[in-house]
Amino acid sequence: KQEVTQIPAALSVPEGENLVLNCSFTDSAIYNLQWFRQDPGKGLTSLLLIQSSQREQTSGRLNASLDKSSGRSTLYIAASQPGDSATYLCAVFSGNTPLVFGKGTRLSVIA
Amino acid sequence: KAGVTQTPRYLIKTRGQQVTLSCSPISGHRSVSWYQQTPGQGLQFLFEYFSETQRNKGNFPGRFSGRQFSNSRSEMNVSTLELGDSALYLCASSPIDKNTGELFFGEGSRLTVL
Repeated sequence: KQEVTQIPAALSVPEGENLVLNCSFTDSAIYNLQWFRQDPGKGLTSLLLIQSSQREQTSGRLNASLDKSSGRSTLYIAASQPGDSATYLCAVFSGNTPLVFGKGTRLSVIA
Repeated sequence: KAGVTQTPRYLIKTRGQQVTLSCSPISGHRSVSWYQQTPGQGLQFLFEYFSETQRNKGNFPGRFSGRQFSNSRSEMNVSTLELGDSALYLCASSPIDKNTGELFFGEGSRLTVL
């Protein structure tokens, strides 16, 4: 059974810092991995999707990497801003089963 | 293009009552999934529908049910509500018939059970 873990559960950084969020999964037989952002009381917004054959994906200040063999992904946020404050969730897809989500990392960027 | 629409956004019920939540997927999306989100358990999969058929079901009691209509709109129902059913219920739709895991989420329905 696939399990997804995100560490740390919460993170607070000053504005302008570069930061890394971690995601690990137990079964490396995945099709893809996604990073989502969730603002309080809101739905999830997809940030990046990495196919199992890819090593990384970039969108603006965000860069996600995937090391399938070791069961790890990282989300790198450059030059963090207060508007980046949110909960970030990763989810893995393994085929005909539903996405499995981690519990998320709650990020606070302090101005 | 309109996103995934969920109604109602907020509702309060008492124990023992039942509730129906509605989800309209993005136009052209035929797959709809439902998730329950709570602070303790995170996001847990409820069920997925494609072309009016339940394709996957999560590990929830029979009090949780759903259906999908011919226009791809979906509803989920929870009967005999319990305090622990208080949660954010999220609906997500998928753009193509083969499930690639790419999901587009609505804003959710916040259910409070008193």
